[in-house]
Amino acid sequence: DGGITQSPKYLFRKEGQNVTLSCEQNLNHDAMYWYRQDPGQGLRLIYYSQIVNDFQKGDIAEGYSVSREKKESFPLTVTSAQKNPTAFYLCASSFKGNVLGPTDTQYFGPGTRLTVL
Amino acid sequence: QKEVEQNSGPLSVPEGAIASLNCTYSDRGSQSFFWYRQYSGKSPELIMFIYSNGDKEDGRFTAQLNKASQYVSLLIRDSQPSDSATYLCAVIGVGTSGSRLTFGEGTQLTVNP
Repeated sequence: DGGITQSPKYLFRKEGQNVTLSCEQNLNHDAMYWYRQDPGQGLRLIYYSQIVNDFQKGDIAEGYSVSREKKESFPLTVTSAQKNPTAFYLCASSFKGNVLGPTDTQYFGPGTRLTVL
Repeated sequence: QKEVEQNSGPLSVPEGAIASLNCTYSDRGSQSFFWYRQYSGKSPELIMFIYSNGDKEDGRFTAQLNKASQYVSLLIRDSQPSDSATYLCAVIGVGTSGSRLTFGEGTQLTVNP
């Protein structure tokens, strides 16, 4: 099956802990993204990567880190510096198209719900 | 002013009616526009994308784009209870590095049987 997988589905973090959320895709997409969604809110971009070994900060990168060692994988670490991490985390991917082409359409994984205990 | 604004909702329509969802954006250079549907507790799924001024139809869904007015809308004809969800408008702007979407906060739609 082609698609985007995220794990775990639910994650609980204690104060002061770092946790890593997994995102894998087998769509041969070039670009991958991490978003955060709070209840009743839209999606906010945390980090994105258009190519292996390169990534850029989004709008709310503080307290998060990422890596892109493989095209298929883009894990997100929520560090202890992120003071309010309870949220729904969504990973997405797309081809690296130009802004006018359909190849820039982003597709989402099923999400990870993170709760701070 | 928010970059992408949607009618705040919640929006409630009877089954079989037309649901109209609206979105305005602030970046006049925006080029690509997307509508996603998100069921409660689930991830967004793409409904439609539109790039050119005018209407684009796909089954019961019609997206309308007016770049001069910086306005994009989604019409759902013959609304069904299964259409009850939050609808997210998303925009990509000119000059944005790569395919970086900006999302509105969403409009919650309820279709009553």
